[in-house]
Amino acid sequence: AQRVTQPEKLLSVFKGAPVELKCNYSYSGSPELFWYVQYSRQRLQLLLRHISRESIKGFTADLNKGETSFHLKKPFAQEEDSAMYYCALVQGGSEKLVFGKGTKLTVNP
Amino acid sequence: KAGVTQTPRYLIKTRGQQVTLSCSPISGHRSVSWYQQTPGQGLQFLFEYFSETQRNKGNFPGRFSGRQFSNSRSEMNVSTLELGDSALYLCASSRPTAEQYFGPGTRLTVT
Repeated sequence: AQRVTQPEKLLSVFKGAPVELKCNYSYSGSPELFWYVQYSRQRLQLLLRHISRESIKGFTADLNKGETSFHLKKPFAQEEDSAMYYCALVQGGSEKLVFGKGTKLTVNP
Repeated sequence: KAGVTQTPRYLIKTRGQQVTLSCSPISGHRSVSWYQQTPGQGLQFLFEYFSETQRNKGNFPGRFSGRQFSNSRSEMNVSTLELGDSALYLCASSRPTAEQYFGPGTRLTVT
C-alpha cells in the first residue's frame, strides 16, 4: 500500500538556520513525489515536484530511492517560510495524491 | 487566470441530512479531484474525475459520491451525514499529469 510518513509534526528553527523536513514513502513502483505548502489563511499549493529538479524559494528536495526518502531542505530559513508542509506521492497515470500528515514549520526571529 | 473556486465556503448541517458541494476548475482543466482534510486523518483522497468519468475512488463509504459535468465543473454529495463527516473538503483541478491546483475548500460542520 502507498504510504507517506512525515515523522515530525512540529519543527521549530531560528531565522538563518538550516531546515530539513523529513519525508519517507512506501510504494511498489516508481512514484512521483511532491512537496505542498499551506501558508496561514492560504490555499494548499505546490512547492516542488521531484521530476522538475527545481529549487523553489530556496528549497530543494532529492529523491533517494534506496532510503525511500524525499526530504525537503533549505540552507537558511526565513520567517516567511513558516507554514504547514505536506509531502505527497502520486502513482503513474493517476491524479490521486497520497499525503503525509504534514509538518508545521515555525521559523523564529 | 481565475483559480479553482468552491461553493459554499462554509456549511452547517445536522446528522442525517445530505449535502452537495460544488467545484469549478481552472479553465481548460479537465481533471478534478476531491480530498477530505481533518485534524486526525489529514488529507485523504475521495475521488478523481476526468471528462465526466470517475477514474479513481478513495476508501470512503458509499454515502460519498460525486460527478463531473461536461464543462468540467464537479459536485460531490454526502448523504446521511454523520458527525465524523465534519471536515474541510478540498477540490483540485489539473491538466493530466500536471500540477494540481487546489481550491480554498468548503468547511462542513455536522451537528
